[in-house]
Amino acid sequence: DTAVSQTPKYLVTQMGNDKSIKCEQNLGHDTMYWYKQDSKKFLKIMFSYNNKELIINETVPNRFSPKSPDKAHLNLHINSLELGDSAVYFCASSPGDRVDEQYFGPGTRLTVT
Amino acid sequence: AQSVAQPEDQVNVAEGNPLTVKCTYSVSGNPYLFWYVQYPNRGLQFLLKYITGDNLVKGSYGFEAEFNKSQTSFHLKKPSALVSDSALYFCAVRAPYSSASKIIFGSGTRLSIRP
Repeated sequence: DTAVSQTPKYLVTQMGNDKSIKCEQNLGHDTMYWYKQDSKKFLKIMFSYNNKELIINETVPNRFSPKSPDKAHLNLHINSLELGDSAVYFCASSPGDRVDEQYFGPGTRLTVT
Repeated sequence: AQSVAQPEDQVNVAEGNPLTVKCTYSVSGNPYLFWYVQYPNRGLQFLLKYITGDNLVKGSYGFEAEFNKSQTSFHLKKPSALVSDSALYFCAVRAPYSSASKIIFGSGTRLSIRP
């Protein structure tokens, strides 16, 4: 069984559109994350979220919003997509704050044209 | 502000030889240090961490890393490289007692092991 899954795997869209990426984990973890990996492979955390608190990286534009319908899901919604949003987005989860026990999803490659 | 640097974009090693992937950091206080590996088209996998204790930390797949406080380094090492070790490696640092959202990743080092 896949521990952390993301859909879609690939997403190609035009500038100005709104899109969502879905993430689900079946590990019973209470903390989930979104990371962005740019074309140079630089990885940056965007959000961490548990059932108590959303922590936002202050460099993330407010066009990006995480949405968590329940503890096992953390979706990423992006409004008014820009060319610079093209990247691979990784979802991850962990028990509590344990980054050393993070499990990462396979990634979603977003291409904005 | 905390930061982490991986000075080498790519490291090339022959199979069977020892390998080192370099990482230096800057953080206030005693750091929490991590190494992750990313195989093609996959998410990151945790390799090892240093929080406190012995400066030499052993992790998955035969990797180890040595915390050197005076040099502010946390280099990843393996005595004998395998072709299957070829991947992208990330060093990460987090200030003590900070949340997971404060973790900072290095720019990554691509490790290539030739047969």
